[in-house]
Order: sequence, then structure tokens, then C-alpha cells
Amino acid sequence: AAGVIQSPRHLIKEKRETATLKCYPIPRHDTVYWYQQGPGQDPQFLISFYEKMQSDKGSIPDRFSAQQFSDYHSELNMSSLELGDSALYFCASRTRGLAGEQYFGPGTRLTVT
Amino acid sequence: GQQLNQSPQSMFIQEGEDVSMNCTSSSIFNTWLWYKQDPGEGPVLLIALYKAGELTSNGRLTAQFGITRKDSFLNISASIPSDVGIYFCAGQRETSGSRLTFGEGTQLTVNP
Repeated sequence: AAGVIQSPRHLIKEKRETATLKCYPIPRHDTVYWYQQGPGQDPQFLISFYEKMQSDKGSIPDRFSAQQFSDYHSELNMSSLELGDSALYFCASRTRGLAGEQYFGPGTRLTVT
Repeated sequence: GQQLNQSPQSMFIQEGEDVSMNCTSSSIFNTWLWYKQDPGEGPVLLIALYKAGELTSNGRLTAQFGITRKDSFLNISASIPSDVGIYFCAGQRETSGSRLTFGEGTQLTVNP
């Protein structure tokens, strides 16, 4: 079965640079979530989109922005990167017909040097 | 923010043993989910629970949604080496599909 696709899988950036992470949800899934997971920590919710509209917002820094496009893929844009932004970034998707079940992608490992 | 207390933090068991882990919260969740995560990979959904008191199985895994809606547990029977990983509980406030709040995770090690 098709899964959530994330690209790139690994990204190395320097401080103050920008980064763009991409997420392609499971076909026919209309809701996308972004989570950040620091080393040894649990995933923390950043932001979500339903039908291309922001549906929920968590502890996402103002330096980050995201959007969902007409083909339902989503992009997380990160600017003025800081060392503390180094983490695994996961995208998850679901369809509103299946309450609760979110399916995660393999993640993007961002390293800021 | 909302915290889920997951215990134990880590477990070291022998192959063939049963395992139990649980999550508790100070507030109600409408949905409980259990995920397994391997190092550097995304969490994989194991079991989803939608009703208080619900008991659901998936192979050797059994999970329950607590009656109070503030807790859930996961049992793994007859553990095998590939059960190694980090297990996370996750709660969701609204069945319409809002954010997941995760527990701190249980690191499971299975000795052959």
C-alpha cells in the first residue's frame, strides 16, 4: 500500500539558512500534519491542514510556515535556522473518514550546523 | 501543554515474555493510538481505540481504552526480537481529527 512520502530524507543546513521540507500524503488523504521530534523525545505537533486550509496550530515558531497545495501535498518552510531546529520532522496524513488514524512518513532529518 | 505520562520508560525482557505498558492523562481523550518507532524512522500505527472500555487486538498486541478516557494500556504477548523499538501512546481530543499528543515512549529491548 502507498505510504506517506517525505523529501528530502536528510538535510544539512547552516545557521540562518532556509529549508523546505516536502510531504506527499497517502492518496485520497485530505489532511496533513507536521510534527517535530528532537533526540530522545516524543513527536511534538507543529501544524495541520485540511483541504488546503490550516486546521490546527501547535508550537510552531514564527520562522516556520507551511501550506497545503491543490494536490494535497504540503511543504514546511523554515527560515533563519537555529541549532535547536535540528530534529526529525515528520509528516502524517489521514482521511476524515477514518477518525483519529494518522499515518506517518519516514521523516526528514534536519541537521543545522 | 497537555502531557501524557507513559510507563515504564524502558523494559528489558527475554524473548517469549509478555509486556505491558500504559499511559495516563489528567484530562480526557476521545481517541487513543499506539505507535511503534524504530530508530530514525517514522512511527508506525499499531492499534487505534475509539470507545471507552474498548479492547482491541492486533496479532500479539492487545490495547484497551480506559473507562475514564484518561488512560490506555498496551500488552504484547510472547515477545520476539523484532518487537524491539520505542512504543508511543498518543491521545486525540476530538474524533474530527485534531493533533496527537504523545507519551514519552517506552523503549523495549528483547533478549533472544
